[in-house]
This record gives sequence, C-alpha cells and structure tokens, in this order.
Amino acid sequence: ILNVEQSPQSLHVQEGDSTNFTCSFPSSNFYALHWYRWETAKSPEALFVMTLNGDEKKKGRISATLNTKEGYSYLYIKGSQPEDSATYLCAFSNTGNQFYFGTGTSLTVIP
Amino acid sequence: GAGVSQSPSNKVTEKGKDVELRCDPISGHTALYWYRQRLGQGLEFLIYFQGNSAPDKSGLPSDRFSAERTGGSVSTLTIQRTQQEDSAVYLCASSLRVLGDYEQYFGPGTRLTVT
Repeated sequence: ILNVEQSPQSLHVQEGDSTNFTCSFPSSNFYALHWYRWETAKSPEALFVMTLNGDEKKKGRISATLNTKEGYSYLYIKGSQPEDSATYLCAFSNTGNQFYFGTGTSLTVIP
Repeated sequence: GAGVSQSPSNKVTEKGKDVELRCDPISGHTALYWYRQRLGQGLEFLIYFQGNSAPDKSGLPSDRFSAERTGGSVSTLTIQRTQQEDSAVYLCASSLRVLGDYEQYFGPGTRLTVT
C-alpha cells in the first residue's frame, strides 16, 4: 500500500478567502494524480487528472499544480464560496490502474 | 446520460451472512473499480476490472471477498460470512479506459452495516 497524505485534514475559511491544500505521494514511479471533490450526500466528482510533471490545470476558481519529482500537488481555490464546501480528495497511481487515495481535506466556507 | 448506479443503497446484515453488492457502470466504460471507506478512514482500493477481467485481486481484504463482471457491464462484489469489520461504504467507479489518464465516475455507494 502506497502512502498518500493530504494536509490540512480540515479547514474553515471565510467566504471570499483564497485557500490551498497539499497532496503528498511517493516520488518514484509516477503515473497519474487525480483530484476529486466529495460533497456530503453525493458521489465524488472529478476535478482534475494530472499526468505530467509541471502540469497546471484550472477549472473556474479552482486550479492545481503537480510536482512529480518531489511528490506533491497543490489545489488552490480562489475567492471561496459556500458551495465550495466539500471534502477534496487526491488519488495517486503508479501503474495507471490502481489508485491510492488520501484521507481528504474537509473544507468549510463560512458565509 | 445515466451515471454509475449501485444497489442496494443500504444493507444491514447479520454477522456470518453473505451479501452481494451491485454496480452498473456508465455504458461504454471498459474500466470499473471497487473501493470501500470504513468509518474515519480514506477510500481503500479493492479491485479493478478491464472489461470482464480482474488482473490483480491482491487489494481484496480477504478470501471472503470476490468480484465479477459480466458482459463488460454490471459488476457484483460478494462478501461471504460477513464480519463486523466489513461495515463500510462500498463505492464503485467506472472510467472510459483502464489508464490513469481518465477520470473516474463514482456511484452513490452502498452502505453496509454488519450487526
């Protein structure tokens, strides 16, 4: 089992604040890194699929970066809104077919 | 279009009974994954299918767990002689291909409670 760590475990921010969280994974044998958003009572939903060192992806106010050589990815949310409240999961794969998830960062945006 | 569906949504069973969990992936998705999340823990990978084939079953927690997929579509996860530690939310996901380049689409999960 590969160790994938996410920090912080939970975060409370005010509406309008920008925030970021970290996913750390083994720096050897990288294949892909996924980010998912999991809202309460819903299914996890894909945000980004990242496969190349130096990748930067953006979707609206959310963006992510990837450093495979040092084994980390950052997720950024600009101008947080209450609807951004969710648990954000990263999933690492070294083979392309098995995925190891972190325990997630729980974000609460306070109106 | 239709997403990934799972049934039942909730299952309460007595210790020692067998249970069967079902997953209907998105049509045309060749890859299918099973995960579970026990209380307070992260998503744990169990098994993946490429078509009807599961090349690596080492993620299954014990020999009481088995999974199959037929017709490149529906998959069932079977747990025999359930134990209390099997209580968890079991999630199924599908993707277009078994390659890390493709995002996974998750079902709503089956909450299994073993009493």
